[in-house]
Amino acid sequence: QVTLRESGPALVKPTQTLTLTCTLSGVSISTYGVCVSWIRQPPGGALEWLARIDWDGDKYYTTSLKNSLTISKDTSKNQVVLSMTNMDPVDTAAYYCVRHHGRSNYFGSWGQGTLVTVSS
Amino acid sequence: EIVMTQSPATLSVSPGERVTLSCRASQRVSTNLAWYQQRPGQAPWLLIYDASTRATGIPARFSGSGSGTEFTLTISSLQSEDFGIYYCQQYHNWPPMTFGQGTKVEI
Repeated sequence: QVTLRESGPALVKPTQTLTLTCTLSGVSISTYGVCVSWIRQPPGGALEWLARIDWDGDKYYTTSLKNSLTISKDTSKNQVVLSMTNMDPVDTAAYYCVRHHGRSNYFGSWGQGTLVTVSS
Repeated sequence: EIVMTQSPATLSVSPGERVTLSCRASQRVSTNLAWYQQRPGQAPWLLIYDASTRATGIPARFSGSGSGTEFTLTISSLQSEDFGIYYCQQYHNWPPMTFGQGTKVEI
């Protein structure tokens, strides 16, 4: 059974950098065909895809936040890390780590999410 | 970026009723469309992909249809556990993959 667990700070200040970690269990991030994305959801709002990283290291970003996002993976720890610079209160959201269904771009496995509040 | 528009925003229904949710894409997305359900306080989960294929473990009362720009999710006989918010998502033109704003189904 594949599980994904997000971890990171619950509160960050405006202009700070957010770093979130997704720990995968039941599947290796290095296995052919494994793709992991980050998706966020503001309180009461809709889902927004942010970034994707593939087993071979390929990376993709949403166009509107491309300059502030960095996605990476730590194969030794089986983790995917998302960094987001210059955080703003509008970035307050639940952040989900998700595994793609194979190499497709829909999402078959979701972490429980982690709520990040941006406030001074 | 492809914009996904869902209607209605809210649907109030009774158990046993047939429910139809709509999703419209601003450009053609072929059948590269997925549906998710989300209950309060929970992460979403995959219901339908490729417009009409049920994900593993999803009951047969859920069905999807459509192609191009118009899509429908149908629940043939609503059960009490089916309340929540339903989102459609396109993955035809990416990045980015984009979601609709959701339809809330109230029991």
